Amino acid sequence: GQQLNQSPQSMFIQEGEDVSMNCTSSSIFNTWLWYKQDPGEGPVLLIALYKAGELTSNGRLTAQFGITRKDSFLNISASIPSDVGIYFCAGSKAAGNKLTFGGGTRVLVKP
Amino acid sequence: DVKVTQSSRYLVKRTGEKVFLECVQDMDHENMFWYRQDPGLGLRLIYFSYDVKMKEKGDIPEGYSVSREKKERFSLILESASTNQTSMYLCASSGTSGILQETQYFGPGTRLLVL
Repeated sequence: GQQLNQSPQSMFIQEGEDVSMNCTSSSIFNTWLWYKQDPGEGPVLLIALYKAGELTSNGRLTAQFGITRKDSFLNISASIPSDVGIYFCAGSKAAGNKLTFGGGTRVLVKP
Repeated sequence: DVKVTQSSRYLVKRTGEKVFLECVQDMDHENMFWYRQDPGLGLRLIYFSYDVKMKEKGDIPEGYSVSREKKERFSLILESASTNQTSMYLCASSGTSGILQETQYFGPGTRLLVL
């Protein structure tokens, strides 16, 4: 089925750093969503984007819906230890339609 | 708050066994979904349902079936479990109205090990 390409697959963060991850597709999506999954839990919605070019923030998180509608990125500013987890992008082609998920970006703390 | 619950957090079954995974949501959502999560592959949709007694195949339905007899409950069935079905299974639900209708709310997951 349709896949979203999410990168990087994993990254190490040091407290206070800004980090970025992105998601790309060969086809257009009308909605982009970013989820975070803590260990042993289900994914939780962080940010939803509904318009091309839209830039939305949720605390230290900022996400953008690409102009071409084929990509999105998520930034985390001033990272803290509890930011570790797996971040997933997801896209929807139409209202009420099923979501397509990226492979996830695993965020780890630098030893 | 939306609550999606799954019947088991961990499950160990033997090859060939019939396995039932149950999911219940308390938000009167019309849509319910079953995914499996494997490292590096993200979440892959197995089956989904837009209404009671209605089901549609997702991207990887082979080896699975589902049942939706009541609006709040969506069951995933492994007719004859195999080792390649060892995975994390996630249930989700979403509504059909309002700006957040694409937003899916997830349960905590069931980690299934098939021996």
